Amino acid sequence: AQSVTQPDIHITVSEGASLELRCNYSYGATPYLFWYVQSPGQGLQLLLKYFSGDTLVQGIKGFEAEFKRSQSSFNLRKPSVHWSDAAEYFCAVGEAGGSYIPTFGRGTSLIVHP
Amino acid sequence: DTGVSQDPRHKITKRGQNVTFRCDPISEHNRLYWYRQTLGQGPEFLTYFQNEAQLEKSRLLSNRFSAERPKGSFSTLEIQRTEQGDSAMYLCASSRTVGGADEQFFGPGTRLTVL
Repeated sequence: AQSVTQPDIHITVSEGASLELRCNYSYGATPYLFWYVQSPGQGLQLLLKYFSGDTLVQGIKGFEAEFKRSQSSFNLRKPSVHWSDAAEYFCAVGEAGGSYIPTFGRGTSLIVHP
Repeated sequence: DTGVSQDPRHKITKRGQNVTFRCDPISEHNRLYWYRQTLGQGPEFLTYFQNEAQLEKSRLLSNRFSAERPKGSFSTLEIQRTEQGDSAMYLCASSRTVGGADEQFFGPGTRLTVL
């Protein structure tokens, strides 16, 4: 069965600093990988996704993520964090083909200090 | 495209009561998903529909839970004889199948509190 680990429950950064949120997955075949952001009282919004091809994926709001098969990781990065980036971030892994039901990690809460 | 909408946004009920939630997907999206999210956790899959057919249900979905999607448009999720453990955010998402994994668009959720 597929699984996702987000080892950091909370991350605190200063505005303008760089950010990296970690995500490790367990899946036997080539996964579909996603990062979602959830602001308080809002639904989840897709930041970016990896299906195949270039392992460095660009997303919205200046985010990017790199798929590293050897490390089973799909870490999310942003070079300069804005206060509006404070939110909950979820990594998810899906099954290539089939019904596609993503499995979500427990999330990382990002706190941005001014 | 007005996005995925859910109604109500909040529901407070007493234990043992039945509740029903509605989800209106993005028009022309053929897939509709229901998830449950508890505090400090990511969304957990409950069930999904392709058009009007319910294709998969999670083991999390007890027999007190039932979902429908008549005519392949909006969907309802009913919980019978609610328990305090049912308190959670219930999220709906929809997608349009284009081959491979779909991009799911999420609604704002319905927060259920069972007293």
